[in-house]
Order: sequence, then C-alpha cells, then structure tokens
Amino acid sequence: EPEVTQTPSHQVTQMGQEVILRCVPISNHLYFYWYRQILGQKVEFLVSFYNNEISEKSEIFDDQFSVERPDGSNFTLKIRSTKLEDSAMYFCASTTESGNQPQHFGDGTRLSIL
Amino acid sequence: SQQGEEDPQALSIQEGENATMNCSYKTSINNLQWYRQNSGRGLVHLILIRSNEREKHSGRLRVTLDTSKKSSSLLITASRAADTASYFCAPGKGFQKLVFGTGTRLLVSP
Repeated sequence: EPEVTQTPSHQVTQMGQEVILRCVPISNHLYFYWYRQILGQKVEFLVSFYNNEISEKSEIFDDQFSVERPDGSNFTLKIRSTKLEDSAMYFCASTTESGNQPQHFGDGTRLSIL
Repeated sequence: SQQGEEDPQALSIQEGENATMNCSYKTSINNLQWYRQNSGRGLVHLILIRSNEREKHSGRLRVTLDTSKKSSSLLITASRAADTASYFCAPGKGFQKLVFGTGTRLLVSP
C-alpha cells in the first residue's frame, strides 16, 4: 500500500542552525500538511499546502518556517534558525483531491535541538 | 473548534476483551477519522466514517457515528497486546486541518 515517507527519521541540530525536513507524499495526493508533536503533548497542526501555495497556517508557523514543493514528489519543511522549543516529532501528511478521504501520515522526523 | 475529545483518557483491559472508546465534537463535519499512534511513531489511519453513515466495520474495528449527538465510538473486538497504543478521533471537514485531542491510551495486557 502506498505510504508517506519522511527523512531523516532523526535529526540532531545545534540551536540557531537551519534544518530541512523532507517528505514524499503519496503520489496521487495533492493536499499536503505538516504537524508536530512535542514530547508528551498533542499533535498540532502547522501548515497545509495545495496547488503550490499555503492554504492555512497556524500561529506556530511563523517567519522561521517555510514549506516548499521543489519537484513533483518532495514536500519540505524548513526551519531557518532553530530554537530549543522546536524539538519535537514532525509529521507530514497528504490526502487526495477526491474529498472525504483520510489524511495519511508519515512515521515522522524526530528533531532534537541542542 | 473542530477538535475531537476522546473518552476515557486511559483504558486497561485483558487480551480477548473488547475495548470501547468514545469521541465527542462540537462542529458540523463531513467525516470523522480514527487514528492509532504507537509510542514514538506516526499516526496510522484506522477508519473514516462519513457524516451520512451510522456504522462502519473494518476487521476487528467497529465505528459508529451519531451526528445528532455529535459523538462517535470505536470498538475493538477481541483485543490483542499489539493493540496497545493511543487512539485519536479527528472530525474532518473538506481538506481542512485535523485537530487532535489527547486521545485514549489503551493498554492490553496478555
């Protein structure tokens, strides 16, 4: 069964450094999402993306964050200058254009900021 | 908001028993989705029930939806130790974001 894949599975970065998290959504999906989960807390929405632009973003998704679909298969989340509080699991999700279909999630990238 | 609230927060049962989890929400929906999350892992989609459906089955899972009460339930029959995980409901509306609650932590003991 097709799945959403995320790389790397674990990323360790020094505070202040830039980090790029990568996702390959399911191939016929056109809606893409990033969520994050700080350890022990709820899964929180960050941003949704459709037709090469942001559809919605949360207040977490400030100027330090950006998303991009650089080619036909990848969907990336960039954090420009990481902070300690960015440490979390980051999940990518995608869904089809058909409507009334589930969002499928990747296994996540664990981001640790030192 | 479109968040689902799961109840109970925690559930502990023996293998072979049934597990029932409930979900309440406040807004109108197109569908309601149930997900499972094993510790430290991603969210696995279990089942989606549409707003015009009342009940849906998938293997050992049975989901009900009562839109008049804005509630849903997830029944796992004949539980196994491998069912140990957190379970989340997510009310869906179009392609909008999903808003997750704190989930039900299910522990199935051998």
